[in-house]
Amino acid sequence: QVHLVQSGGEVRKPGASVKVSCQASGYSFSKYGISWVRQAPGQGLEWVGWISAYSGYTSYAQKFKDRVSLTTDTSTDTAFLEMRSLRSNDTAIFYCARTISVAGTGTAFDIWGQGTTVTVSS
Amino acid sequence: SYVLTQPPSVSVAPGQTARIACGGNNIGSKSVHWYQQKPGQAPVLVVYDDSDRPSEIPERFSGSNSGNTATLTISRVEAGDEADYYCHVWDSGSDHVFGPGTEVTVL
Repeated sequence: QVHLVQSGGEVRKPGASVKVSCQASGYSFSKYGISWVRQAPGQGLEWVGWISAYSGYTSYAQKFKDRVSLTTDTSTDTAFLEMRSLRSNDTAIFYCARTISVAGTGTAFDIWGQGTTVTVSS
Repeated sequence: SYVLTQPPSVSVAPGQTARIACGGNNIGSKSVHWYQQKPGQAPVLVVYDDSDRPSEIPERFSGSNSGNTATLTISRVEAGDEADYYCHVWDSGSDHVFGPGTEVTVL
C-alpha cells in the first residue's frame, strides 16, 4: 500500500528555519514527483513547490522561492522541505503529496502525507 | 494570476445530490481535480482530470468541466460526505491553484 509518512510537529521562533521530512513507501519513489502544500489554521490549501524524485528538478511558487528548498534522498525514499526566515504567519500544516501526470494539463496529487504542523511563535 | 471561485457552503439532505461549482476563466480548457478534506485529516483526491475517479472512490462522486465552470457532483449523499471540498488546476502563469474550498453540510 502506498504511504507518505511525515515527520512530527515542530515549534520554531521567528527568524529560525525548519526542515520537514516525508518518507514514501509502497511504490517506486523515483518514478513520481513530490509536491508540498501549506494550510494555515482555518484556511485553504496553498501550493508551495514540487520536486522530481528522479532528477531533483524543482519548481517553487513565487511567494516561497526565496525561503524554501526542496530536496530528496533516494537512498531512503524521503523528500524534505526546508523553510527559512520563519514568520508567525508561516504557522501552518505542511503536507507532502505524490504528484501524478494526468491526460490533460498539469498534474494532480493522488496520495498525501498526514501533515506536519509547524508553529512559529516567540 | 489565475483565480478559482467556489461557494463557501452547500447544504444537502441525505440521499439527495450535491453539486459544487468551481469557477475560473475558461476553466474548460484546463484539467480540474477535486479533493475532499474532513476535519483534522489530510486531503483525499476524489476526482482528477475533470471526471476520472481513483479506484477507491465511490461512483457517487463525479465531475464535469465546460466553459467557465467545473462541477463536482455527489449523488445519494451520505453523512460521511460532510467535508470541505477543494478544486485544483494547473495554470501556466500561476502554477498550481486551489479554489477557496466549499463546506458540504449534510442536513
